[in-house]
Amino acid sequence: GAGVSQSPSNKVTEKGKDVELRCDPISGHTALYWYRQSLGQGLEFLIYFQGNSAPDKSGLPSDRFSAERTGGSVSTLTIQRTQQEDSAVYLCASSLAPTSGNNEQFFGPGTRLTVL
Amino acid sequence: AQSVTQPDIHITVSEGASLELRCNYSYGATPYLFWYVQSPGQGLQLLLKYFSGDTLVQGIKGFEAEFKRSQSSFNLRKPSVHWSDAAEYFCAVVSNTGGFKTIFGAGTRLFVKA
Repeated sequence: GAGVSQSPSNKVTEKGKDVELRCDPISGHTALYWYRQSLGQGLEFLIYFQGNSAPDKSGLPSDRFSAERTGGSVSTLTIQRTQQEDSAVYLCASSLAPTSGNNEQFFGPGTRLTVL
Repeated sequence: AQSVTQPDIHITVSEGASLELRCNYSYGATPYLFWYVQSPGQGLQLLLKYFSGDTLVQGIKGFEAEFKRSQSSFNLRKPSVHWSDAAEYFCAVVSNTGGFKTIFGAGTRLFVKA
């Protein structure tokens, strides 16, 4: 596609429910990143996929958070048993293989998650 | 561990005035440095990047940034700010440990007054 797409754009859920957020990266981009941006905060790194390598999960805040990337393309971020503090904008980005650090990231529009 | 510091949470400048947004990084080797902008209601967009070579880099929308190794800084500048520049600006460094993870600063929100 022309850019990174994310769905849904907005998600309102009740505390305790599970949610799935989807990211479609730019075709040909092997690297995919998930970030969380809380109100008035910077970008908090969550997880990073690169090709067939094991993902870097060092940023996931708890075991309620997980992500997968099927077929090296689409990624799904799952939050189980959501809490109010999970409310934030979840951003996805993709880039070409960062073999040299030259990895300009292209960001999607984000999914705004509200946990009531 | 690598880190990025943006000391100013928000800055207000008058339209037409010059702008400098500060960014300091902590990194053991020559870093790869980026500035991104997030305009209201829009996604993040790359303004400019530094990998090597000339330490003064030019970006889009009239922005530039200068890499100063001695000060571990990569400040963003614009000689004359436009109202449309009001946005949040993020400095970022790429870590070449653990697979080139990007570390973002907390951001600086720019307000432009008429």
